This record gives sequence, structure tokens and C-alpha cells, in this order.
Amino acid sequence: EAQVTQNPRYLITVTGKKLTVTCSQNMNHEYMSWYRQDPGLGLRQIYYSMNVEVTDKGDVPEGYKVSRKEKRNFPLILESPSPNQTSLYFCASSSGRTDTQYFGPGTRLTVL
Amino acid sequence: GNSVTQMEGPVTLSEEAFLTINCTYTATGYPSLFWYVQYPGEGLQLLLKATKADDKGSNKGFEATYRKETTSFHLEKGSVQVSDSAVYFCALRSLYGGSQGNLIFGKGTKLSVKP
Repeated sequence: EAQVTQNPRYLITVTGKKLTVTCSQNMNHEYMSWYRQDPGLGLRQIYYSMNVEVTDKGDVPEGYKVSRKEKRNFPLILESPSPNQTSLYFCASSSGRTDTQYFGPGTRLTVL
Repeated sequence: GNSVTQMEGPVTLSEEAFLTINCTYTATGYPSLFWYVQYPGEGLQLLLKATKADDKGSNKGFEATYRKETTSFHLEKGSVQVSDSAVYFCALRSLYGGSQGNLIFGKGTKLSVKP
């Protein structure tokens, strides 16, 4: 089954404790992206990747890092999480930037 | 820059009522327009899209027409069902105006349909 998976689905952590949210797709997609969803703000793009070893900032990259060492994986790294990063995070992938994006199920992160 | 404005919710309707969710956009060039749906506890799914002026996207009884003259892409459905309860996002993609082809989303409109 074609899908985008994210782990964990739920995470509660404390300020300053490094964490990684994994994202994996099995569709051989070149384009991958991370979004955060906040009430009243909709979805905002954090980072995106056009292909392996090619990443770029989205609209709200501060406090986040990403890497794309393999085509299927695009982890989101929070080196020192803060409470304002409490949010619902979605990973998405597509064949190319202009193709239909497929979204993962989301990761709900709470930073205390 | 590019942006999307959609009507604020929540919208509450009775089953079989007519639905309209307004969406207007600001964009450089000629963007592609999309409606995504997010069912409770799930990620977003593409509902429909239109890539040029006067195109009509349709899926699952939902329709939206790309209106360049009014820069709008309103979502409509003639008879909603309880299963349509979800959050609906309007989005655009433009190769100009700084967004470089990435999706720009509206804030979302929550729809609740009562039996």
C-alpha cells in the first residue's frame, strides 16, 4: 500500500530535550515536505526537499532541522524544543514539487 | 506574495443542506488551485483541483470553479452528509511570488454536519 508514515504519532517532551520525528514514504517520491498545523493558522511549511541531499527552508524553519540522506526518509529534528513548537506536524511527499502531495497521519507534539 | 483566504468556521449544517465554503486568493502569475480535506485524526487528502481559469474540479459530489476574474475557488456541494464532517483547506501553488511552487494553504474551515 502506498503511504507516508510518521513516528511517533504522539509525543510529550520537555523544553530543550532533542527529538526526531521520522517520516518515510514507499512511493519513490523525490519531493518531501514538513508542515506544522496550528489552530487559526492552517498549515505552514517548515522545510522541503527536492531530492536526496537537497533541502530548503519553508515559511517557518526556525528551530528545526531536516536531512535527506535517503530518498524514502525525511526526518524532522528539533535540537532544543520549546513550548512554541507544540503543534501538529505533517510530512508529505510527491513525485515532483508540482504533483499531488500525499500526507502522513500527523504527529502531535507537546513541549512542556 | 501569494496567499489564500477562506471563510472562517466552524460551519454547521443539517444533512442534505447545500454547502458553500468561500476561498479567494492572491497570487503572482496563474496558480493552480486545490481543495484538501482532513477527516478527524487523519492527514490531508486532495479533494479536487483546477489548473487554469474556468476549469471546474469535482470529486465525491464536491465542485469548485477557478474564477480568475474574482480570484476565487469556492467549494460547493449540493447535499452534504454526516460523513462530510471534516476540515477543508483551500490551497494554491504558484511558481512565482516567492513560494517557488510550494503549496500555500488557507487556515481551514471546519464543517460539522448534523443528522
